[in-house]
Amino acid sequence: DAGVTQSPTHLIKTRGQQVTLRCSPKSGHDTVSWYQQALGQGPQFIFQYYEEEERQRGNFPDRFSGHQFPNYSSELNVNALLLGDSALYLCASSLYVGAPEAFFGQGTRLTVV
Amino acid sequence: DQQVKQNSPSLSVQEGRISILNCDYTNSMFDYFLWYKKYPAEGPTFLISISSIKDKNEDGRFTVFLNKSAKHLSLHIVPSQPGDSAVYFCAASEGPFQGAQKLVFGQGTRLTINP
Repeated sequence: DAGVTQSPTHLIKTRGQQVTLRCSPKSGHDTVSWYQQALGQGPQFIFQYYEEEERQRGNFPDRFSGHQFPNYSSELNVNALLLGDSALYLCASSLYVGAPEAFFGQGTRLTVV
Repeated sequence: DQQVKQNSPSLSVQEGRISILNCDYTNSMFDYFLWYKKYPAEGPTFLISISSIKDKNEDGRFTVFLNKSAKHLSLHIVPSQPGDSAVYFCAASEGPFQGAQKLVFGQGTRLTINP
């Protein structure tokens, strides 16, 4: 049973560019959340998707947007990249939208230069 | 505003002894708490959770204690094993089963188990 998978694992982008990160949830899970983890910090909630809609959003600017597809996979898009966007981006899936536990992928390490 | 705090960035424990990791929170709306373990180059792995209606939950070597009046929870690992060396994150949410659930994480505690 495949867990949460994310691609790519590493990415280097230039300031001002746009990036798309991808996530496939754990089998049987229909809810996907995205988190940003800066170095030495805990993960911070970006947003959550269920039934192809954004259900809740954290304190992130509109440059961060997402999408969920009918097969429950999800994308995170970040526009106009800043140096401060360099972080580990984690995708988590849950069995349903209010499920108490979230299961994380290995993350995408984004470096903005 | 850091709503979930893990005040010890690191902890070193001898193999076989008890490891105690602590977590404090400020938001009284939190009523579900989780611990995650993270190895380098991997995503966080769910370890154990506790609802606010309980004060203790056990799973094998892992026990989580919740003190609601003090807004404090702790994770006990007994006995500690070398494979337990990792970064441990405490997380909280304002109630599962009530729609979209956002986890708020602490900064993490790096646990090192010495042989």
